[in-house]
Amino acid sequence: EEQLVESGGGLVQPGGSLRLSCAASGFIFDDYAMHWVRQAPGKGLEWVSAITWNSGSIGYVDSVKGRFTISRDNAKNSVYLQMNSLRVEDTAFYYCARGWPADFWGQGTLVTVSS
Amino acid sequence: EIVMTQSPATLSVSPGERATLSCRASQSIGSDLAWYQQKPGQAPRLLIFAASTRATGFPARFSGSGSGTEFTLTISSLQSEDFAVYYCQQYYEWLTFGGGTKVESK
Repeated sequence: EEQLVESGGGLVQPGGSLRLSCAASGFIFDDYAMHWVRQAPGKGLEWVSAITWNSGSIGYVDSVKGRFTISRDNAKNSVYLQMNSLRVEDTAFYYCARGWPADFWGQGTLVTVSS
Repeated sequence: EIVMTQSPATLSVSPGERATLSCRASQSIGSDLAWYQQKPGQAPRLLIFAASTRATGFPARFSGSGSGTEFTLTISSLQSEDFAVYYCQQYYEWLTFGGGTKVESK
């Protein structure tokens, strides 16, 4: 069974850091690009970042450039999102998703940035 | 950045009726357009890709059309399980999503 399981969310103060992880199973992980997509409570979807299968190409939405870093470890079937200098407006559910377009999604992890 | 604009924001439809959702790209994206369905408390599910190819698990009443900058998702005869929010997404240049269309019961 294909699975994507996110972890690492939680409550953090503005200016703080979090590292999200997404563990993949049930498919050949290094066949796929991977994404992070977020959704603020009650709002729409926003693509955050993507990384190609071999980490050769990486992209970010403008609002997180210089603050967030995506990475992957194909040996561990995992993708990560290091989030620094967090802002209140980064509060959201963060989903990892597979493929181009994103054809399979995890259930998400909640990041709350609040003092 | 390619901006995706969806209309309407909310569509009120009775079961059995046809629903037509629109999506416009700020520049040509060819057919690099996907549609997603999201129900409350759930992750989005890929519904349509390459503008008109239905993903696994979705019935034939869902269809997509368009190319370039104008795209349409049509649900030919709405069923109760189709009430949800639908998002378009371009994947021509990284990814961007439209703001979504909520399909609700009339």
